[in-house]
Amino acid sequence: ETGVTQSPTHLIKTRGQQVTLRCSSQSGHNTVSWYQQALGQGPQFIFQYYREEENGRGNFPPRFSGLQFPNYSSELNVNALELDDSALYLCASSRRTSPYNEQFFGPGTRLTVL
Amino acid sequence: RKEVEQDPGPFNVPEGATVAFNCTYSNSASQSFFWYRQDCRKEPKLLMSVYSSGNEDGRFTAQLNRASQYISLLIRDSKLSDSATYLCVVNKANSGYALNFGKGTSLLVTP
Repeated sequence: ETGVTQSPTHLIKTRGQQVTLRCSSQSGHNTVSWYQQALGQGPQFIFQYYREEENGRGNFPPRFSGLQFPNYSSELNVNALELDDSALYLCASSRRTSPYNEQFFGPGTRLTVL
Repeated sequence: RKEVEQDPGPFNVPEGATVAFNCTYSNSASQSFFWYRQDCRKEPKLLMSVYSSGNEDGRFTAQLNRASQYISLLIRDSKLSDSATYLCVVNKANSGYALNFGKGTSLLVTP
């Protein structure tokens, strides 16, 4: 069974730029969630995708957007980067039909905004 | 008030000790509960789902008290490899399957 993968592992951008992060879900999983983890904090929910549609969103501005593809992989796009966007971005996949909806995380993308 | 609150930590314990982590959650409509473990600069890994009847997995025991909105994790016979941050996680009520994480409690097991 293939686990969740993310790319790239590290990224450095400057303020105002745009970034795209990618995630491949674990085989058999149809739901992808994205989280932002700042240093010393727990992950914060950004949004979730199921059947290629956004299915729930946390307290993040519209410049955070995403996509899910027919193979269940997903992208997170962030426009107009700000210094506070520097964080570890985590993707988690799950199986919607699982009664407990356990989510499994990829290794994350560490984004630094200068 | 934060939706999920944990002991501030850090916890420093000797090998072989028993250590307990506590967590409270604010939304009584929450339905799924978990403990994740996170090593430094790594992703969170699911340690245990927490069921209403409580559950045990080897040296780890999780308990849920819905009336008090309280979750606990007990680690017996601590190993050096248990050193990590332990995250209490509750599903976000009324927002589908999103997860709400506590800030985490750091555990250091020393020889």
